[in-house]
Amino acid sequence: GAVVSQHPSWVICKSGTSVKIECRSLDFQATTMFWYRQFPKQSLMLMATSNEGSKATYEQGVEKDKFLINHASLTLSTLTVTSAHPEDSSFYICSASPGAGGYEQYFGPGTRLTVT
Amino acid sequence: AQTVTQSQPEMSVQEAETVTLSCTYDTSESDYYLFWYKQPPSRQMILVIRQEAYKQQNATENRFSVNFQKAAKSFSLKISDSQLGDAAMYFCASLRGTSYGKLTFGQGTILTVHP
Repeated sequence: GAVVSQHPSWVICKSGTSVKIECRSLDFQATTMFWYRQFPKQSLMLMATSNEGSKATYEQGVEKDKFLINHASLTLSTLTVTSAHPEDSSFYICSASPGAGGYEQYFGPGTRLTVT
Repeated sequence: AQTVTQSQPEMSVQEAETVTLSCTYDTSESDYYLFWYKQPPSRQMILVIRQEAYKQQNATENRFSVNFQKAAKSFSLKISDSQLGDAAMYFCASLRGTSYGKLTFGQGTILTVHP
C-alpha cells in the first residue's frame, strides 16, 4: 500500500513552453502533498505544500507564478512549470501524506525535467 | 528553524560489515520526529527508519538501527551486515510536530558497498 505515482517520469521541453507534472496517491487519500526539487547529488529542497482545495503554500524564494501548483482532489496534485528555462531543468519529486501532520509521507518516483 | 547536518559526504563499507552514518540536528521544539531515507540510483525515496523524539528507545528495523542521543541532538544510522543493495544516498530528516509535514533534510551521505 501507500503508493504515489508521478507522470511523466522524464520530460524534455523547449525553452519558453510550459510543462505539467502530475502526482497521484494511488491507494490513499492525501490530505497534504509536497513538491521538492533536487539537483544531482544534492539534497531535496521543499518548494511548496498543497492541501486539497486550498492554495499552495510556497517556500521562500520559490516563484509562485512560475511553479503553479494545483491540488484538485485528495488523490491528485499537479505542478506546472510555466515559461520554462534551462535553469529549471532538475529532478522534481512529490510526496503525499494521509494526515495533516505529515508524520507519514510517501514519495513519488520523481520526474526529470530537461529544458532545451 | 530546524537544521539537519550530515558531515559525511561519502562512506564506504565492505559487504557483510557494519557502517554508521552520522546526523546531527538542531531544534528548539520538544515535539519532533527524525527519519532516515534511502535514495538508490532509481532516485525513489524510501523510508528506512523513523524515531519519535518522545521515545527513549532506539528504533530498529531489521538490519537498520539508530542511536538517538536527544541531549546531544544526534541521530546516527547503523547498518549491519551490509548488502550490495544498501548502496544509495542516505538522507537524515527531521519533522517538527507543528510544521504540518515540512521535512528538513540533511545534505546526504553517499554509501558505497564493496563486494
